[in-house]
Amino acid sequence: NAGVTQTPKFQVLKTGQSMTLQCAQDMNHEYMSWYRQDPGMGLRLIHYSVGAGITDQGEVPNGYNVSRSTTEDFPLRLLSAAPSQTSVYFCASSYGRNFYEQYFGPGTRLTVT
Amino acid sequence: AQSVTQLDSQVPVFEEAPVELRCNYSSSVSVYLFWYVQYPNQGLQLLLKYLSGSTLVKGINGFEAEFNKSQTSFHLRKPSVHISDTAEYFCAVSETGANNLFFGTGTRLTVIP
Repeated sequence: NAGVTQTPKFQVLKTGQSMTLQCAQDMNHEYMSWYRQDPGMGLRLIHYSVGAGITDQGEVPNGYNVSRSTTEDFPLRLLSAAPSQTSVYFCASSYGRNFYEQYFGPGTRLTVT
Repeated sequence: AQSVTQLDSQVPVFEEAPVELRCNYSSSVSVYLFWYVQYPNQGLQLLLKYLSGSTLVKGINGFEAEFNKSQTSFHLRKPSVHISDTAEYFCAVSETGANNLFFGTGTRLTVIP
């Protein structure tokens, strides 16, 4: 199993550009989530999904969209990038309702200039 | 509302010495508690968890943590650290029945040879 994979590993955007961060898992996990990690602030939940077709907002959802059309994929879309979205983004997944036993991807480091 | 406080942002310790990383939480209901570890340039991985039962929880790599309900704490300990334990450690809390985790701001453990 590849586990949780994220692409790209690094990305530089200009203010106002849009892009999609990809996340995929091959463990048939129902629960998937996106976090951002900023220095001194730990990880903050952006959006999560408890199954295909079901998504919900986390702590910091503004400026981001998600969809879950398949169990495997959970892309995160930045609609109009802002410097405040410069961060490291982690995708995570877990089996069923055991969402707290999360498996994390390697992260995407995003810089918005 | 739940929150997590990790009192020490950095902890330097000599190799083979004991270490304690502190975590306090606030919540008005029952909680699940977790410690995650993040090695340099990697995603997070679960170190240990408390869901119920014995308040002393053992995890991977010789770490353990004790849940203290009266003091709302979940401190992480290891009796003898190795160079390979150098990493960032995150405490996380989830209220029972909730759909997400709240992370602390992290403690960077540096093991000195």
